[in-house]
Amino acid sequence: GENVEQHPSTLSVQEGDSAVIKCTYSDSASNYFPWYKQELGKRPQLIIDIRSNVGEKKDQRIAVTLNKTAKHFSLHITETQPEDSAVYFCAASRGSNYKLTFGKGTLLTVNP
Amino acid sequence: EAQVTQNPRYLITVTGKKLTVTCSQNMNHEYMSWYRQDPGLGLRQIYYSMNVEVTDKGDVPEGYKVSRKEKRNFPLILESPSPNQTSLYFCASSLKSGWLNEKLFFGSGTQLSVL
Repeated sequence: GENVEQHPSTLSVQEGDSAVIKCTYSDSASNYFPWYKQELGKRPQLIIDIRSNVGEKKDQRIAVTLNKTAKHFSLHITETQPEDSAVYFCAASRGSNYKLTFGKGTLLTVNP
Repeated sequence: EAQVTQNPRYLITVTGKKLTVTCSQNMNHEYMSWYRQDPGLGLRQIYYSMNVEVTDKGDVPEGYKVSRKEKRNFPLILESPSPNQTSLYFCASSLKSGWLNEKLFFGSGTQLSVL
């Protein structure tokens, strides 16, 4: 089955800096890669996703890049703000069977 | 309001006592799924359902049962809970089945403690 590795497990940045979280996946047939943000005590919420036919996708301060050859994808957050502090999960699936496999999460702390 | 509703929010039980965690969505979503979240292990899929009467195992199905008799409901059943099932459980749903994955809407979670 699919295996998703996520790094780093914790990340601390200063407000205004950029943050990058990286994930690798094992199943070359995976074609859907979402990122979820989970604030403390809250439910996970989708912040951005990318499909395998696209190399990069942006939404304001966040972007995701995908390298299918290397089987890795990354989340980039620019101009970080304290409200970006949360646990971020990457995930991968083949799409056709909905077996979504998550990474173990990255705790991002943005220091004012 | 469109939402995924889980109950109960918190549950403390004892080993071996059957329990059910309910999940209901009001968005007419085809796909529903259960995850457990444990520190350092992220979110792991227990079971999922692509439509009524269609369910399949996720990565950690042992010790759990599900049913999908109605489109809106997807209960999680622990026939004989054990302490290693102490965890935070999330139900989630998305609009469509098929090859295109869709955004998952999560419930507010159920914190289960098995003594």
